[in-house]
Amino acid sequence: KQEVTQIPAALSVPEGENLVLNCSFTDSAIYNLQWFRQDPGKGLTSLLLIQSSQREQTSGRLNASLDKSSGRSTLYIAASQPGDSATYLCAVTGGSEKLVFGKGTKLTVNP
Amino acid sequence: GAVVSQHPSRVICKSGTSVKIECRSLDFQATTMFWYRQFPKKSLMLMATSNEGSKATYEQGVEKDKFLINHASLTLSTLTVTSAHPEDSSFYICSFWPGLAGGGTDTQYFGPGTRLTVL
Repeated sequence: KQEVTQIPAALSVPEGENLVLNCSFTDSAIYNLQWFRQDPGKGLTSLLLIQSSQREQTSGRLNASLDKSSGRSTLYIAASQPGDSATYLCAVTGGSEKLVFGKGTKLTVNP
Repeated sequence: GAVVSQHPSRVICKSGTSVKIECRSLDFQATTMFWYRQFPKKSLMLMATSNEGSKATYEQGVEKDKFLINHASLTLSTLTVTSAHPEDSSFYICSFWPGLAGGGTDTQYFGPGTRLTVL
């Protein structure tokens, strides 16, 4: 059974700092990996999707990497801003469209 | 981007009553959609997968007679929590998956969620 772990559970940084969020998964036979953002009491917004054959994806200040063989992914946020404050979720699919989520990392960026 | 709405956004009900949550895609059609549940400080957990016109497939441990899913059309699905109890209090999120046809992607599009509180 696939399990997804995110470290740290919470992170607080000053504005402008670069930061890394970590995600690991137990079964390396994934189809793709996604990073989502969830604001309090809200739904999910997809940030980046990495296919299993890819190593990284970039969107603006966000960069996600994937090391499928070791079961790890990182989300790098450059020059963090208070508006980046949210919970970031990592999720994998294993060949079907079903997503298996981690518990998330709650990020607070302080002005 | 694709927009999915959920209604109501928040509902409080008495134990034993039934609650219907509506999920609607506003600008695209999708044959497959998902219902998730999220408890505080826990992962989103998939409850069921449904395809338009077919019966939903429920994940292990999810009672199909308690959580009734009606995928009425390519843009509308409802989740009815029957005879709700306090332990059903949770955040329920739906998502639509347009699929890969027509140049689509693997991305699911999520609704904003419904906070259910059962007293």
